[in-house]
Amino acid sequence: NAGVTQTPKFQVLKTGQSMTLQCAQDMNHNSMYWYRQDPGMGLRLIYYSASEGTTDKGEVPNGYNVSRLNKREFSLRLESAAPSQTSVYFCASSPQQGSRTEAFFGQGTRLTVV
Amino acid sequence: QQQVKQSPQSLIVQKGGIPIINCAYENTAFDYFPWYQQFPGKGPALLIAIRPDVSEKKEGRFTISFNKSAKQFSLHIMDSQPGDSATYFCAASMTGGSYIPTFGRGTSLIVHP
Repeated sequence: NAGVTQTPKFQVLKTGQSMTLQCAQDMNHNSMYWYRQDPGMGLRLIYYSASEGTTDKGEVPNGYNVSRLNKREFSLRLESAAPSQTSVYFCASSPQQGSRTEAFFGQGTRLTVV
Repeated sequence: QQQVKQSPQSLIVQKGGIPIINCAYENTAFDYFPWYQQFPGKGPALLIAIRPDVSEKKEGRFTISFNKSAKQFSLHIMDSQPGDSATYFCAASMTGGSYIPTFGRGTSLIVHP
């Protein structure tokens, strides 16, 4: 049972470089999310996708773009990385069916922008 | 505006102690209140959750107490163990429409042997 798989696990970027964080889930969930985790700030929502074909901004979307490629995959792109984007990024998914509203998280991507 | 406020930011207890983590929310439309546990280098995982139609829920050594009128809920860990050392997040969400969990800022718990 893979659950939510994120790649890569670690990445170092130079300021101005671009990259895409990949996320895939094998639980047939409708909703997918990208969060960033910073010390003392908890988990802050960057973007989410309530269903295949839709994406919406969360609390901290600036500097990021997303693509819901299909029901399984939801990618996060940094077009021009900045040191303020140094963080741990988590992808999550949720079935969003009736009372089943648990969010399942990936292992995270630790990104450092120098 | 922080919709879910969590305290304390960090907590240290001795083995066998009962750490208590508190959360308060603003939006009365929230109807699902989960707690997540996160170990270093891992993603958060659901620990226990409650809905506002009950005032308390127990699962093993973990208990959620819920006070709807005060818009507060708390996590109690009975007979805490060193293996409980982790970061704990409370969250709140609305189950109707788009399910978007809003998280507190987390509590780092250390349980000394």
